[in-house]
Amino acid sequence: DAGITQSPRHKVTETGTPVTLRCHQTENHRYMYWYRQDPGHGLRLIHYSYGVKDTDKGEVSDGYSVSRSKTEDFLLTLESATSSQTSVYFCAISESPSGGGKGTQYFGPGTRLLVL
Amino acid sequence: QQQVKQSPQSLIVQKGGISIINCAYENTAFDYFPWYQQFPGKGPALLIAIRPDVSEKKEGRFTISFNKSAKQFSLHIMDSQPGDSATYFCAASSAGKSTFGDGTTLTVKP
Repeated sequence: DAGITQSPRHKVTETGTPVTLRCHQTENHRYMYWYRQDPGHGLRLIHYSYGVKDTDKGEVSDGYSVSRSKTEDFLLTLESATSSQTSVYFCAISESPSGGGKGTQYFGPGTRLLVL
Repeated sequence: QQQVKQSPQSLIVQKGGISIINCAYENTAFDYFPWYQQFPGKGPALLIAIRPDVSEKKEGRFTISFNKSAKQFSLHIMDSQPGDSATYFCAASSAGKSTFGDGTTLTVKP
């Protein structure tokens, strides 16, 4: 998994509680991404980062926030978890934004989140 | 608005057969078209990719065909094997952001 770890790998939480997912990389790649994967929806971009403290929204960012204080760590926070946020969350990294080669995204193993 | 449409949703192929998965995109700004393979419980992994200035790319049993004018691209898996059974995602990328198709679950029967 290209030196990417995600924690926790599984989490069960209750509606209304805050949840933070962590992505850690050892590749020193500049770009990091958070996706959610749901049946029938493929992978949808939540937020991404193009450098330390530089982040931007993806297509499904409502209810999520991110932070990146170090190159190697990208945190995804659900401020107040809802059942609609039950999903599998994937972190990805890439060396550059350009297509091909260095623009390839490498994915972590995923975090399964269940919001009751 | 879905920018990348992938079909079929599921596909069953006999061992040794050809698997074909199709994708269509809308945004002409996309400049990189990767295919990812995902096994259950794992993250997606890059399988093969193509840039729009090339009409075909082949790596082993996997081939991407790209039709820029039709804004379509497809993945062909030749001599499909049971080990190819997985979910396949096409994607279209621009400026570092990727838009994914909804995925195709491929089952190769022995």
